[in-house]
Amino acid sequence: AQKITQTQPGMFVQEKEAVTLDCTYDTSDQSYGLFWYKQPSSGEMIFLIYQGSYDEQNATEGRYSLNFQKARKSTNLVISASQLGDSAMYFCAMREGGARQLTFGSGTQLTVLP
Amino acid sequence: KAGVTQTPRYLIKTRGQQVTLSCSPISGHRSVSWYQQTPGQGLQFLFEYFSETQRNKGNFPGRFSGRQFSNSRSEMNVSTLELGDSALYLCASSLGGAGANVLTFGAGSRLTVL
Repeated sequence: AQKITQTQPGMFVQEKEAVTLDCTYDTSDQSYGLFWYKQPSSGEMIFLIYQGSYDEQNATEGRYSLNFQKARKSTNLVISASQLGDSAMYFCAMREGGARQLTFGSGTQLTVLP
Repeated sequence: KAGVTQTPRYLIKTRGQQVTLSCSPISGHRSVSWYQQTPGQGLQFLFEYFSETQRNKGNFPGRFSGRQFSNSRSEMNVSTLELGDSALYLCASSLGGAGANVLTFGAGSRLTVL
């Protein structure tokens, strides 16, 4: 079974609008961390935001926020006021328990339209 | 401060050859992880090194190996290259913990095997 599922291969959003990228995960661990990374066409993975399984508040970092629904095992990334520079591949990832490696989803290609 | 530096950025090899990729982590980071990214398999964990010791290894054949030096710089080697080894190889450095420990990635080394 997939541990991280991103069901939207591609998304389009108009500049200045908000967009939500979906991510569901599967783990039996009580302690885990969820990460979002952005990968522009240059290839470098850029860390955006983190949510811990015990965090009671949804994480927020500037224009990025997470809609973390623990019971549904989902952590959706919300990008507010989209900019042209937000066009990139977005990956959801999970670190389970005491593990050090990340397990990544298949990604969502976001295109921001002018 | 300088980010994670990977060299070379691009390289072309032929089947049967071997390749060595290099990664210089962020100063102070003692953990270096390697990931392979392909269109078909997505991002897959290769291995992680901490203080010159391999702590964790993904599900890759023995042709894939790595090492870490006392200055935390890391190299990975792929021997007897196959066409399927064509990929973007990403290196990430971190402080080395679990949980919320964030991986900072380099821009990757894009390997093409002909």
